[in-house]
This record gives sequence, C-alpha cells and structure tokens, in this order.
Amino acid sequence: GIQVEQSPPDLILQEGANSTLRCNFSDSVNNLQWFHQNPWGQLINLFYIPSGTKQNGRLSATTVATERYSLLYISSSQTTDSGVYFCAVGTPLVFGKGTRLSVIA
Amino acid sequence: ETGVTQTPRHLVMGMTNKKSLKCEQHLGHNAMYWYKQSAKKPLELMFVYNFKEQTENNSVPSRFSPECPNSSHLFLHLHTLQPEDSALYLCASSRVGGAQYFGPGTRLLVL
Repeated sequence: GIQVEQSPPDLILQEGANSTLRCNFSDSVNNLQWFHQNPWGQLINLFYIPSGTKQNGRLSATTVATERYSLLYISSSQTTDSGVYFCAVGTPLVFGKGTRLSVIA
Repeated sequence: ETGVTQTPRHLVMGMTNKKSLKCEQHLGHNAMYWYKQSAKKPLELMFVYNFKEQTENNSVPSRFSPECPNSSHLFLHLHTLQPEDSALYLCASSRVGGAQYFGPGTRLLVL
C-alpha cells in the first residue's frame, strides 16, 4: 500500500517564527489533505490539495504531485497553532504519523 | 463545528458490556468512515461505507460491528472488547473521492 512519511516528527517554535512541514508519499494520488489535530482530538481540515498551491490566512500548502511531496507553511506562528499536523493521501485516506508542533510564547 | 457529530464523546465500558457509538453528518455526503487512533500510532482506517454499502473492512475484529442505515448515520456496535481497544474513535464523511471531514471523536476506555 501507499506509504506516507512526514517530517520533522517534532518541532518547537518561538511564537512569531515561520515553519515548513513536509509530507512525502510513495505513489501518485488524486487526494491529499492536511489536518490539524487539537489537544482535544478534533481533526480540523486545513487543506484539500492534490496538486498546486493554496493559502488560508497564515497557512499555505503546496503539493508537487509529480515529485510526490507536499509542504505546509505556517507563518507568524501562534500558541494556538500547537498540536499535531497530519498529512493524509489516497482514497480511502492513508495517514502519516504526524508532526507534533509546540509553539512557545 | 465540521458538520459531523459523534456521541457519546467519552465512554467507559467493561469487557462484557455492549455499547454503540453514533455518528451523524449534515453535509449531504455519501461516504462515511470509522477510524481508530491509539496512543503513539497513526490513524487506522476501520470501515468505509459508500451509499450505505460497506466497501472496506480493514481486517477489523468481529467484536466491532458497523451499521450504516442511511447516508447520514453510521454506528459502531461494540461487544466483548479488550483493554487494548481503548482509543479515540473518529468518524468522517465525504463525497465519494472528495475531502473528508471528521467528527470530534469518542474517547473509549475499556476496563
């Protein structure tokens, strides 16, 4: 089956810093999503982005389908950005192990 | 609020109990999913329903029994569970092949 690898596994940032999270996948896909899981376990949709670039406020994402990777950019990070960020690909979705982000004031 | 609700939010049950988890979506989607998230593990797909028909059963033990009476409702019936079944159970819905939206989850503890 398809493999999904996310990096880094853990990330600590000072409030206001920028970061880039990476997702590599092993096969071509027609579905890729980024999620943020908050401390209560809720998975929040960030982007549905099988290809191209999208932006939503301080977050943006780029997927290069031909090279099998996607990047999630977080700019001017805030403490409320803390949590685990998941990349998931395919139908049905296969999840990576996530990147645990801690933003410190 | 994602348009997908789950009840109960927390559940404690003994190994001999029978309980059910409920999921409801208000998004007009036609596919629904159950996932399991254990500590330190990636999310695992359990079941998929498209247009009320089960299309995927990811080698889930028979003590978990799904039911999808219509495109808006999904149940997970639990019986004779084991302590290792303690986890966060997440429901999701989508249009077939489209973006998935998740409910808030049911945190299950099996004693």
